[in-house]
Amino acid sequence: QKEVEQDPGPLSVPEGAIVSLNCTYSNSAFQYFMWYRQYSRKGPELLMYTYSSGNKEDGRFTAQVDKSSKYISLFIRDSQPSDSATYLCATSNTGFQKLVFGTGTRLLVSP
Amino acid sequence: GAVVSQHPSWVICKSGTSVKIECRSLDFQATTMFWYRQFPKQSLMLMATSNEGSKATYEQGVEKDKFLINHASLTLSTLTVTSAHPEDSSFYICSASVGQGYQPQHFGDGTRLSIL
Repeated sequence: QKEVEQDPGPLSVPEGAIVSLNCTYSNSAFQYFMWYRQYSRKGPELLMYTYSSGNKEDGRFTAQVDKSSKYISLFIRDSQPSDSATYLCATSNTGFQKLVFGTGTRLLVSP
Repeated sequence: GAVVSQHPSWVICKSGTSVKIECRSLDFQATTMFWYRQFPKQSLMLMATSNEGSKATYEQGVEKDKFLINHASLTLSTLTVTSAHPEDSSFYICSASVGQGYQPQHFGDGTRLSIL
């Protein structure tokens, strides 16, 4: 069993849609949860991170962690074509050290 | 800010040769650098963590004699794949951070390595 599971997609949505991206993880010791965005031929860039359970909002993006079900989500409101990218979830029990990544979900937002 | 440059972006070489990949932090001093590998349709997997001036810490299953990591300065780390073989073909990506792990990692754009 992979430590972090993520549907690879692609997920295709029309512009303006609400997007829900999800990951599940198996190690209950994970305390830090991150979402990275990766454009084609570029390195991942950090979008958001949360510690333990709860929600965190930043503009159109909301990250949600449910430790009881080991489920993490990223919601994108009013999605834009520029949001088209691969979204990687990552977890850790040591801050930003030793990150464990999901495979990434490819998102396509059509105009 | 927080730009990490990785070079080369793509390399093709013959089996048995050694390949060096450079990772530079351009506008900050990186206390810690990380090296990842990603095979097609798989997740980024951490290979090793290096702190400036210290030996790298390798993850389980990563051959330290095959993947030589040097982090000689606060702005440069190198990964050398020695005697590369076709099974070493992969996407290698580095990241860098300030401090002891409670600051975000900033990623380079990766190196596509193809061994013929």
